[in-house]
Amino acid sequence: QQKVQQSPESLIVPEGGMASLNCTSSDRNVDYFWWYRQHSGKSPKMLMSIFSNGEKEEGRFTVHLNKASLHTSLHIRDSQPSDSALYLCAASDTNAYKVIFGKGTHLHVLP
Amino acid sequence: EAAVTQSPRSKVAVTGGKVTLSCHQTNNHDYMYWYRQDTGHGLRLIHYSYVADSTEKGDIPDGYKASRPSQENFSLILELASLSQTAVYFCASSGHSQNTLYFGAGTRLSVL
Repeated sequence: QQKVQQSPESLIVPEGGMASLNCTSSDRNVDYFWWYRQHSGKSPKMLMSIFSNGEKEEGRFTVHLNKASLHTSLHIRDSQPSDSALYLCAASDTNAYKVIFGKGTHLHVLP
Repeated sequence: EAAVTQSPRSKVAVTGGKVTLSCHQTNNHDYMYWYRQDTGHGLRLIHYSYVADSTEKGDIPDGYKASRPSQENFSLILELASLSQTAVYFCASSGHSQNTLYFGAGTRLSVL
């Protein structure tokens, strides 16, 4: 079964709006989370990582992590059409080298 | 930026045939991974390796073998290709378990 679950599957936001994406792991051993972005026909590229409880901001992108609930969220403010892509959440634990991905959230930003 | 090269970029194979996908990285990374992606979906881990001459099974290893003859090279082998193995395959490398994965451009495999 999928150990990294993302929601929603698809999200439509207007240009300039806020997009909020969620990710939860069902594996209690998970310690590290990443968010990757994949534009259509391209390979995934790391967007942000978060390893500690709290919040991390880089430009228009903010990630939150709650280690107790193994939940991370990605928020994109002032969304642009170029942000339209598949957003993938990834997780791993400290003792393994496996990096597992969720099924992703398709974000569509309408001009 | 880290460089991961996959070959071929696309391939058409016949059912029951043997397929080898190759991956080469010049980043001096210890960790290498093979994922498959079905249209519009996330990545599923097939095999991975953290040292030369050793490979580990991922979540969907059935029907696939992997080979890591050197730190730089990691191959995925489909001994008897099947229709269900039609997908895009991504190779990735990372320098540490906490580090970013760097992906190759992908190989689009069609099994007919």
